[in-house]
Amino acid sequence: QSALTQPPSVSGSPGQSVTISCTGTSSDVGGYNYVSWYQQHPGKAPKLMIYDVNKRPSGVPDRFSGSKSGNTASLTISGLQADDESDYYCCSYAGRYSVVFGGGTKVTVL
Amino acid sequence: QLQLQESGPGLVKPSETLSLTCAVSGGSISGDNYYWGWIRQPPGKGLEWIATIYYSGSTFYSPSLKSRVTISVDTSKNHLSLRLNSVTAADTAVYYCARLGPPITMPRGARYCDYWGQGILVTVSS
Repeated sequence: QSALTQPPSVSGSPGQSVTISCTGTSSDVGGYNYVSWYQQHPGKAPKLMIYDVNKRPSGVPDRFSGSKSGNTASLTISGLQADDESDYYCCSYAGRYSVVFGGGTKVTVL
Repeated sequence: QLQLQESGPGLVKPSETLSLTCAVSGGSISGDNYYWGWIRQPPGKGLEWIATIYYSGSTFYSPSLKSRVTISVDTSKNHLSLRLNSVTAADTAVYYCARLGPPITMPRGARYCDYWGQGILVTVSS
């Protein structure tokens, strides 16, 4: 199990959209529609933002959306807000009740 | 509201065993039909899945840690535990416990973490 690949950082101005990619293999991202995304503010526990590629838990704004194509999943944040500045991690089911995380992406609001 | 709380020593010596407990409140480890697990995060680095368990005893481990890790549950105390043997400085991390969804009534369980503890920093140093 190798970590999923995410860009170290992305940035955008308030109101803009940013997209974070998450690349894996056919054994994880490409093999299942079970990608999740987490937001983590400094010193805090991760928070589930997206599960099963594009589903939002109750309370997560619809500005957050997920998608997948082949071995790459994506998280898009629309209408960027100051509070969206955080680290984001993708995660994929990898078979036999295991999961693998990405290396994380820092989102900066300019 | 489900809450998870990790506890244990914050400092462990190299070659010794790291032992952590996660107390679950507002829900039942044995009655809620979910998997439970441990994830860690070295300082300044990304998240790493360690292990997952169902209360009946089914356990699943990260291949890279399998030889050193044991996950268990105590249904009478409603908590789960983690033991990591032969620790080194590379095991220094914030350790999180989490509930893994969806419920086991759905296929391919244990595929996302919907509730997390606040995390506990464990430092391996002499």
